[in-house]
Amino acid sequence: DQQVKQNSPSLSVQEGRISILNCDYTNSMFDYFLWYKKYPAEGPTFLISISSIKDKNEDGRFTVFLNKSAKHLSLHIVPSQPGDSAVYFCAAKDRYGGGADGLTFGKGTHLIIQP
Amino acid sequence: DSGVTQTPKHLITATGQRVTLRCSPRSGDLSVYWYQQSLDQGLQFLIHYYNGEERAKGNILERFSAQQFPDLHSELNLSSLELGDSALYFCASSVVGTPPGDEQFFGPGTRLTVL
Repeated sequence: DQQVKQNSPSLSVQEGRISILNCDYTNSMFDYFLWYKKYPAEGPTFLISISSIKDKNEDGRFTVFLNKSAKHLSLHIVPSQPGDSAVYFCAAKDRYGGGADGLTFGKGTHLIIQP
Repeated sequence: DSGVTQTPKHLITATGQRVTLRCSPRSGDLSVYWYQQSLDQGLQFLIHYYNGEERAKGNILERFSAQQFPDLHSELNLSSLELGDSALYFCASSVVGTPPGDEQFFGPGTRLTVL
């Protein structure tokens, strides 16, 4: 039973345009969401997070949107740069009910930025 | 560089054997999490230690165990290895492991190959 789903295994975007990566979750207890970026042969790198009390969080070129009613979040990257080519993982946590538990990850979306 | 170190980088062993993976968290972080990334399952939470004590278990097999030492480094012990245990094993650390602000920072991983 996959509680965090990233339905697009890959996404190709032209350099300079907007990249939108999507994530859906099924566990209504999740209240904290994170995005990680992973290059080959490296560990995941934390990008940005959002608490369920917010619907948007912005950090430079990265913005995460949360739609709780739809159990959906998205990561927007504007403008997309060649160095953004990587696998992006969506992760979620039940901070208060399962505070000591690890993160629940989606299977990732491979973002390819084309010149 | 996340500040989390893992050794060894690669490990090749045979079925039935036992191995130990090592993780040193970022300076000041008390929590260590272990994750397994296999091709078909994505990143799966295994176990969480906080300041030397086990805090939570995820999808960890009984053949696997972990511990965290007084200097806060952690070891993941995998025994009676099977072919299906071949995977990337990541550790991650965070400051407190409970809300607020529990972003996890990942090490580069150990690639285990069981032949």
